[in-house]
Amino acid sequence: AQRVTQPEKLLSVFKGAPVELKCNYSYSGSPELFWYVQYSRQRLQLLLRHISRESIKGFTADLNKGETSFHLKKPFAQEEDSAMYYCALRGNSGNTPLVFGKGTRLSVIA
Amino acid sequence: GAVVSQHPSRVICKSGTSVKIECRSLDFQATTMFWYRQFPKKSLMLMATSNEGSKATYEQGVEKDKFLINHASLTLSTLTVTSAHPEDSSFYICSARHLGGETQYFGPGTRLLVL
Repeated sequence: AQRVTQPEKLLSVFKGAPVELKCNYSYSGSPELFWYVQYSRQRLQLLLRHISRESIKGFTADLNKGETSFHLKKPFAQEEDSAMYYCALRGNSGNTPLVFGKGTRLSVIA
Repeated sequence: GAVVSQHPSRVICKSGTSVKIECRSLDFQATTMFWYRQFPKKSLMLMATSNEGSKATYEQGVEKDKFLINHASLTLSTLTVTSAHPEDSSFYICSARHLGGETQYFGPGTRLLVL
């Protein structure tokens, strides 16, 4: 079964401080992992995916298969980073949908 | 970039009536569309997956006779909540993906309130 766990409902950090949003997953095969972000009053949008190994808006995430984790990190938080962040997983067989974690609300304090 | 729209953005209806929500992919052909439901302060729960021209695949616990999904064209999928009850009040979000695509693009969501 596919499962995505985001242990923190809310994470508050000061501007300029490092941020780490935790995500752990459970999947028997080799999944694809994503981070989605939802800013206030906006739709969900893709932030990054592990296969791209890219940095978006200063965020990075490394897939750790040994720890089954895909934590999202940013060295210096900005106020505009305040949003809801969802970790998502997609299996690698067929036409599978994204399965989401419960989300973590990041609040960056000035 | 790919854009997905939903209509209406919000709807209020009386208990017992049916409500139809439309999901459109505006600039790409969505061979697959997904319908999610989001409860307050909860995650997105996948309801069903629909492929153009075929019957939707519903997740366990989702009543297919209550949540009718039609994906008649490559740019349109509809979700009809039949005989709505107050407990159906929720935020419904559709998502679309084109053939061979990896990214799911999300609509803005539809807030349904059943009185």
